Parts: sequence; C-alpha cells; structure tokens
Amino acid sequence: DGGITQSPKYLFRKEGQNVTLSCEQNLNHDAMYWYRQDPGQGLRLIYYSQIVNDFQKGDIAEGYSVSREKKESFPLTVTSAQKNPTAFYLCASSIQLTANSPLHFGNGTRLTVT
Amino acid sequence: EDQVTQSPEALRLQEGESSSLNCSYTVSGLRGLFWYRQDPGKGPEFLFTLYSAGEEKEKERLKATLTKKESFLHITAPKPEDSATYLCAADMYSGGGADGLTFGKGTHLIIQP
Repeated sequence: DGGITQSPKYLFRKEGQNVTLSCEQNLNHDAMYWYRQDPGQGLRLIYYSQIVNDFQKGDIAEGYSVSREKKESFPLTVTSAQKNPTAFYLCASSIQLTANSPLHFGNGTRLTVT
Repeated sequence: EDQVTQSPEALRLQEGESSSLNCSYTVSGLRGLFWYRQDPGKGPEFLFTLYSAGEEKEKERLKATLTKKESFLHITAPKPEDSATYLCAADMYSGGGADGLTFGKGTHLIIQP
C-alpha cells in the first residue's frame, strides 16, 4: 500500500540536543511538507519542498532544518535553537504544490523534550 | 489577516442525531476549501475539496457545502465510528498550494452509542 511513513512514533530528548524525524513516502509525490500540531492550535507549516534539492521556509521555520536529497525522503531536524520543541509533528505530501492536490499525511511523531 | 475559524470546538451527539460543523473563513481569494478527519494519535485523512460557492460533495454520512464566507460539514445519522476531530483548511490565492493553506483548530466530535 502507498503511503507516508513517519518514524519513530514517539521520541524523547533532552534539552540542548538536536533530533531528526524521519519521513518517507512511496506515493511518487513531488511535494512534501512538515507541520507542527499543538493542542488548541491549527496545523502550522514548518517547511515544504516542491522538488528534490529545493525547499522553502513555512510560517514557523526558526529552529528547524530539512533536506530533500531524494524524492521519497524529507527528514526534519529539530535543533537546540527551537525554543518549544515538544509537539506532534506531521509530515505530508501532495502530487504537486497546487490547490488541486490535497495533502496526504503520515501518522506523526510525538516529540517530547525535557 | 487571513483566518479560518471552526465551531463548535467540541460537539457531543447521540448516535443517529444529525448535526453540522461550521468553518468560516476570511481569507482573501479562496482557491480551495479542504476538510480532513483526524483520529487520536494519527495524521489527518483527506475528506473533501470544495472550490466554489454552491458546491456540495458527499461521502457516506458526510456532506460538505460551501458559501462565500463559510463551509459546513453535515453529518447525517452519525455512528460512533464517526467520532474524530474534523479539520478544515483554506487555500488562498496569495499563497498557492500548501504554503498558502490556513488550518482551523478543529471540531472534536463525539458520537455516543
């Protein structure tokens, strides 16, 4: 079955450590995205990528970094510069970066930083 | 500022009791209005896209409608398995694609047997 795989499901880190969240898709989608979900807030866009080796900052990119070396993979690094890293992180993909292409989401990684 | 507001925040219904969820938007130039369903601990699942006022789409017990200022998700004779958080998102002309998407905070729906 085609889909988006995020790993791990739960991640625990100490403050000051960088951590990388994995996202892999086998849908052959060009566009990939990272969102952050916090209780009582709508999804907020961190980074997105339209094509391999290209990515753009979203609304809340500070303290995060990404890479897109392969079409299938879009890992997110949460750096020690991110002030409130504890959250539920969602990776998504779409056929293209257009309004006609709904997002397909993975099942998320819940990151806890203490 | 472009905004998407969902109401109510939470809704508890008895099985079979029909109701509607609201998504009002103040985005400047709507390209598309999306509805998603999210189960606890999982990612959102796409339900519908609406593009123009007057458009309607249906899937099982769900029907989504769109006006120039809001969208409704009507749930007819719901079952307990319809319990979930329902998210709407508006795509604006100024953005284009997911970089222009604004999500609402969601409506948490509970259907009691």
